[in-house]
Amino acid sequence: AQSVAQPEDQVNVAEGNPLTVKCTYSVSGNPYLFWYVQYPNRGLQFLLKYITGDNLVKGSYGFEAEFNKSQTSFHLKKPSALVSDSALYFCAVRDPNSNSGYALNFGKGTSLLVTP
Amino acid sequence: DGGITQSPKYLFRKEGQNVTLSCEQNLNHDAMYWYRQDPGQGLRLIYYSQIVNDFQKGDIAEGYSVSREKKESFPLTVTSAQKNPTAFYLCASSTPPREVGNEQFFGPGTRLTVL
Repeated sequence: AQSVAQPEDQVNVAEGNPLTVKCTYSVSGNPYLFWYVQYPNRGLQFLLKYITGDNLVKGSYGFEAEFNKSQTSFHLKKPSALVSDSALYFCAVRDPNSNSGYALNFGKGTSLLVTP
Repeated sequence: DGGITQSPKYLFRKEGQNVTLSCEQNLNHDAMYWYRQDPGQGLRLIYYSQIVNDFQKGDIAEGYSVSREKKESFPLTVTSAQKNPTAFYLCASSTPPREVGNEQFFGPGTRLTVL
């Protein structure tokens, strides 16, 4: 079985400060991990992914994420938050050994609020 | 939202009615997916299709039906058997399923409300 957990429903950070949105996963094989962002009443936008290779992955809009196999985590980070980063963030996982198709398993989402 | 369109953006349904949500993509993707989003529950998979004329049930398929007669189109019908259909519905697509590392692209969504 594969699953992904986002332990925080909401993260608040002041503009200019670093931000972290947490994600942990549980899969039977080596995971494929993704981060998406959703603005109100919109679809999801892809930010970045980890497939293999360097544990630090850089993505869109200055975001990055670090894959940590020992802690089974894939936290999303940004060195300096912007008010426009305020949105709903989803972590997702796909187990390449799964026989349940190629759909993603999503976390419940973390609402990020960046205050001026 | 890439090359995926969903219509309508808002849909209102009376109890007992079937409604069909449209999803079209011009990305030449083989795989397409339907998710349901409820507040605080993230996205849950309803149906997916890896190739034309084939589709599989996801985690919450009861009360829903789909068809995949064309590569570009993957309509979702919400039937009267779906007891709590009010939700935000998202369609997605991706390149060939064997390339499991490829990300999915999402449409803008349809918000369905049962009156």
